[in-house]
Amino acid sequence: GAVVSQHPSRVICKSGTSVKIECRSLDFQATTMFWYRQFPKKSLMLMATSNEGSKATYEQGVEKDKFLINHASLTLSTLTVTSAHPEDSSFYICSANTGNTGELFFGEGSRLTVL
Amino acid sequence: RKEVEQDPGPFNVPEGATVAFNCTYSNSASQSFFWYRQDCRKEPKLLMSVYSSGNEDGRFTAQLNRASQYISLLIRDSKLSDSATYLCAVDSNDYKLSFGAGTTVTVRA
Repeated sequence: GAVVSQHPSRVICKSGTSVKIECRSLDFQATTMFWYRQFPKKSLMLMATSNEGSKATYEQGVEKDKFLINHASLTLSTLTVTSAHPEDSSFYICSANTGNTGELFFGEGSRLTVL
Repeated sequence: RKEVEQDPGPFNVPEGATVAFNCTYSNSASQSFFWYRQDCRKEPKLLMSVYSSGNEDGRFTAQLNRASQYISLLIRDSKLSDSATYLCAVDSNDYKLSFGAGTTVTVRA
């Protein structure tokens, strides 16, 4: 099946620094990727839709200047958390679909801890 | 009203028991429905899609009730390895999926 890979799986950073998370589709081209965040015991919340070659579409309440998304190729989308604060600590997960069935394939997730 | 709602549980069941739970959705135009399984601190993985006629995959049975706008998941002959959080997912548009907060199932020996 389709595979989505995410890196890093875990990152710890200091307040005020920026962190980049990569999401790659390994065996298919993904014109669209999705970025979610998940707090403990909560549902996956869609942050933004990453579109290859164009600007990302952000969900209501998500700051685009805070969470920079770049989808420069058909297999790579990146999420950069800028000027990270402790409240940004969360589990960030990317996903993509092949466009055939609507099924989403998820990356392994990136656990961000901001000190 | 949330787009997708689930009973958080937890459902604590003995091995071999049957456990079932529902997920309600608010968008009557939704067409795609899925059950995902998420283990602690891991990414969700697709368990099964939910078809209009209902479908079965081994010990797992999924049903869709459009009139009442809910989907269900039934697990028969529960195994210890079935312990996980089960997320339902329902499409809104453009392949965007909305997820429930998950139902936690714990199978005990």
